[in-house]
Amino acid sequence: DIQMTQSPSSLSASVGDRVTITCRASQGIRNDLGWYQQKPGKAPKRLIYGAFTLQSGVPSRFSGSGSGTEFTLTISSLQPEDFATYSCLQYNSYPLTFGGGTKVEIK
Amino acid sequence: EVQLVESGGGLVQPGGSLRLSCAASGFTLSDHYMDWVRQAPGKGLEWVGRTRNKASSFRTEYAASVKGRFTISRDDSKNSLYLQINSLQTDDTAVYYCSRGLSDWGQGTLVTVSS
Repeated sequence: DIQMTQSPSSLSASVGDRVTITCRASQGIRNDLGWYQQKPGKAPKRLIYGAFTLQSGVPSRFSGSGSGTEFTLTISSLQPEDFATYSCLQYNSYPLTFGGGTKVEIK
Repeated sequence: EVQLVESGGGLVQPGGSLRLSCAASGFTLSDHYMDWVRQAPGKGLEWVGRTRNKASSFRTEYAASVKGRFTISRDDSKNSLYLQINSLQTDDTAVYYCSRGLSDWGQGTLVTVSS
């Protein structure tokens, strides 16, 4: 199985900060990676697929990069509505696997 | 508009069974891969399994932790997806989400396994 190691597990940031979250795959997954945002009590929302393609309707302050085994989600200027938990998902091979999640909290 | 509505969750004793349903609307179910994902209380997301679309013969895949106990099925005439869960264990306690291709998600249904 492909393990997805996500870091950090949590971070504190202020509105306007640039935030970077990383996922590392235990083996190469090409660009078969998505990023999800989840707020308490709500379903996940896909932000990015194919490692860098922005889901329709998602603000452009979100961006994804990487290929192979190293991937990054960047929020260029954190907004109040961005405080949430973010998770990566690899869909290169079965079983599909999520990273452990990163909780972004208000500083 | 794509809508996914899960139902069928509840409190079940260990060893029991449950069938979760996911009513889909706004799209043709048979055209899409459909997934089940769960989230234990306070934990991260865990992919449970997938049924492929008609073009891929509706073949299924499962996570190792549920293989042999969980079965995904679909009734395209009712535009519905199902998850049959047998031999429930306490660590199956979670919110179960259905998803269209891991892009669109339902609101989830809570399964609690406890004596």
